[in-house]
Amino acid sequence: GAVVSQHPSWVICKSGTSVKIECRSLDFQATTMFWYRQFPKQSLMLMATSNEGSKATYEQGVEKDKFLINHASLTLSTLTVTSAHPEDSSFYICSARGLAEASEQYFGPGTRLTVT
Amino acid sequence: GQNIDQPTEMTATEGAIVQINCTYQTSGFNGLFWYQQHAGEAPTFLSYNVLDGLEEKGRFSSFLSRSKGYSYLLLKELQMKDSASYLCAVMDSNYQLIWGAGTKLIIKP
Repeated sequence: GAVVSQHPSWVICKSGTSVKIECRSLDFQATTMFWYRQFPKQSLMLMATSNEGSKATYEQGVEKDKFLINHASLTLSTLTVTSAHPEDSSFYICSARGLAEASEQYFGPGTRLTVT
Repeated sequence: GQNIDQPTEMTATEGAIVQINCTYQTSGFNGLFWYQQHAGEAPTFLSYNVLDGLEEKGRFSSFLSRSKGYSYLLLKELQMKDSASYLCAVMDSNYQLIWGAGTKLIIKP
């Protein structure tokens, strides 16, 4: 099956610093990648959808200047949490979808971010 | 609005069968997905239904009725490792996934 990697798997940073999370599709080309956030015991929350070579589409309530998304190639998307605060501590998960719109999303293993 | 409903939590016994229901109301329909998510891990794909009927895959089966806006995931011969959250998601007319809140399944010996 398709494999999506995420790096780092966990990160601890100080309040006010920025953190970059990478999401890669290893064996397929992902025209669309999705970024989710999941707080403990809650469901997945879609943050944004990114298409290769174009600007990301953010969900309502998600600050685009705080969560910078870059999808520069068909295999790589990055999420940068700028000026992180303790309330940004969460489990961030990316997923990638292949060329067919109606195909399933393949999830990366997730990145656990802790802001102190 | 768009809505996906599934039970919050279910409990079942090892070796038994459990059915997790999902009802949905969405803007259009391009398929329904079931994912499994163990605590602290990302979701993994289980099944995809776009036509009415039952899809069987080993111990897991998924059923869809588009006219009723209803699906279920059936797990047979339950094992302790099946303890996880099961997420129902519907792909709408814009090919966006609408996620349910998930059903936490607890398996008891």
